[in-house]
Amino acid sequence: KAGVTQTPRYLIKTRGQQVTLSCSPISGHRSVSWYQQTPGQGLQFLFEYFSETQRNKGNFPGRFSGRQFSNSRSEMNVSTLELGDSALYLCASSEGTATNEKLFFGSGTQLSVL
Amino acid sequence: QKEVEQNSGPLSVPEGAIASLNCTYSDRGSQSFFWYRQYSGKSPELIMSIYSNGDKEDGRFTAQLNKASQYVSLLIRDSQPSDSATYLCAVSRGYSTLTFGKGTMLLVSP
Repeated sequence: KAGVTQTPRYLIKTRGQQVTLSCSPISGHRSVSWYQQTPGQGLQFLFEYFSETQRNKGNFPGRFSGRQFSNSRSEMNVSTLELGDSALYLCASSEGTATNEKLFFGSGTQLSVL
Repeated sequence: QKEVEQNSGPLSVPEGAIASLNCTYSDRGSQSFFWYRQYSGKSPELIMSIYSNGDKEDGRFTAQLNKASQYVSLLIRDSQPSDSATYLCAVSRGYSTLTFGKGTMLLVSP
């Protein structure tokens, strides 16, 4: 089985721009979660989608949004980028059931905001 | 606020020794507990999951859970230099929403 695929691997943007990140989960997984990782804050939960519905949302501003498509692929969008948005953005997939929440991470997208 | 606390380290152990990594969590509603390993520049990799009190062994790894004390630990026996990484503790109260600690860096010297 192929793992979680994230594109692009690296992104450089300037303040005020917007960015869209993409994630393809492991085949058969219906849950996709997004995390932001920074040296200071560690891994922080952004949101989780299951069957095209956002089930959970972390404590991030509305500039961060996402969606999930019928094939379980997911996109994350950040509008009006700020310097503090520079981070590694990780996507994780899981079966998403109450009895199996094991997350499998993609390689991440390293976003640099200049 | 739900928190997961880990000693940032580094925890230094010689090759062949037992490495003991600890984690405490604040949310008593947590039901699932995980340990992830993250090499520098790589994404986290799941190495252990545990759901009930007690010990769970998988090869050289043993996870221990004590819900009454809100404490999770990971023991790595016969530590190898290839085990040098940051170990992340994560807890969940359900539905794939994990809260992570900031990780403990482990250094295994030959």
